[in-house]
Amino acid sequence: AQTVTQSQPEMSVQEAETVTLSCTYDTSESDYYLFWYKQPPSRQMILVIRQEAYKQQNATENRFSVNFQKAAKSFSLKISDSQLGDAAMYFCAYRALGAAGNKLTFGGGTRVLVKP
Amino acid sequence: EAGVAQSPRYKIIEKRQSVAFWCNPISGHATLYWYQQILGQGPKLLIQFQNNGVVDDSQLPKDRFSAERLKGVDSTLKIQPAKLEDSAVYLCASSLDLFSYNSPLHFGNGTRLTVT
Repeated sequence: AQTVTQSQPEMSVQEAETVTLSCTYDTSESDYYLFWYKQPPSRQMILVIRQEAYKQQNATENRFSVNFQKAAKSFSLKISDSQLGDAAMYFCAYRALGAAGNKLTFGGGTRVLVKP
Repeated sequence: EAGVAQSPRYKIIEKRQSVAFWCNPISGHATLYWYQQILGQGPKLLIQFQNNGVVDDSQLPKDRFSAERLKGVDSTLKIQPAKLEDSAVYLCASSLDLFSYNSPLHFGNGTRLTVT
């Protein structure tokens, strides 16, 4: 079974600075998707960024970028120029393809605190 | 487009009582998921539907939890009887279908259940 591990329960960052969240996963598959979701106090899970495993190029979305290391099974998220609105729980998620049915397996989450 | 709708937003019940949650996915989304998120943890998949059929319910405690999606649109998740450890946020999500791997999951705002 696939597992996703986020080793940092909480990270603190100064406004306008950069913070990096770690994620590792375990899988025997060669093709899959990885995601970072943000969960503010409203509880809704919001997609931040996604990465296809077959793509070597790291995904970027505005101030958010990932460092995908397939061999190491590592998928970190970098938030640049942090803003107060970035404060939330962040979850790393893995999606297998094919018979696994397209569901997401989540890590335990990292809480990001942004200091003004 | 309208998002995933869930109700109620909050529910407080005593142990051994029953409770039901409702979810209306995004129009046209064939796949529907129910996740359980215990405080301080990442979401865990309970059950996944494709139209009105169950794709995966391996993590659903079937002695007390049940779910249905009779017409392939709305879904209800029921707990009977509830236990203290069922206190959690119940998230509903939908996606286009099982094999649109690039299609993200869209989440509702969840129902926070407190069992006393």
